[in-house]
Amino acid sequence: DVKVTQSSRYLVKRTGEKVFLECVQDMDHENMFWYRQDPGLGLRLIYFSYDVKMKEKGDIPEGYSVSREKKERFSLILESASTNQTSMYLCASRAGEALGPDTQYFGPGTRLTVL
Amino acid sequence: GIQVEQSPPDLILQEGANSTLRCNFSDSVNNLQWFHQNPWGQLINLFYIPSGTKQNGRLSATTVATERYSLLYISSSQTTDSGVYFCAVVRKAAGNKLTFGGGTRVLVKP
Repeated sequence: DVKVTQSSRYLVKRTGEKVFLECVQDMDHENMFWYRQDPGLGLRLIYFSYDVKMKEKGDIPEGYSVSREKKERFSLILESASTNQTSMYLCASRAGEALGPDTQYFGPGTRLTVL
Repeated sequence: GIQVEQSPPDLILQEGANSTLRCNFSDSVNNLQWFHQNPWGQLINLFYIPSGTKQNGRLSATTVATERYSLLYISSSQTTDSGVYFCAVVRKAAGNKLTFGGGTRVLVKP
């Protein structure tokens, strides 16, 4: 059974804190993604990675950074959390390119609240 | 960038009813997928359907690429169909990433 796991389901942090969200996949996938989900806006891509130590900006990278030191692990970092980063964060992984039929597998999500 | 609009935003159904969800996109696409997010937040891929029609049990989907829309049909709805349905598209020119619509929230009442 394929698995994408995220380190926390719920997280509460204070403004200005550094926040780490961890994602691990056990499918040996090349591609990994971080999205945030907000009501009415769907999922918006923050960053993605197509290989170890490689990263690409998505549509809303401001205020975020990422790290991919190992193939199975992709971390999202909020350098200085702000209240407008309160959201649901979803990690995903995929074997092949988006142009093909490969399924994108999602983790269960982390609901982050910044006070 | 490409715009992806889903309608309706919310849908309430009685168990056993049929429904149609729509996804419009503003430019040609190379890939289109439908996802279901259950009430606990888990997203599952339903269809990979850049064109044509596919069926999987009570769900089916049709994409008319030339007219830039896709439809997801739910027949004989069940309470387990509740959740949010997303369509997502890929444009080769925009790189190797999915662009999601805003979703349709479906509630099936027993």
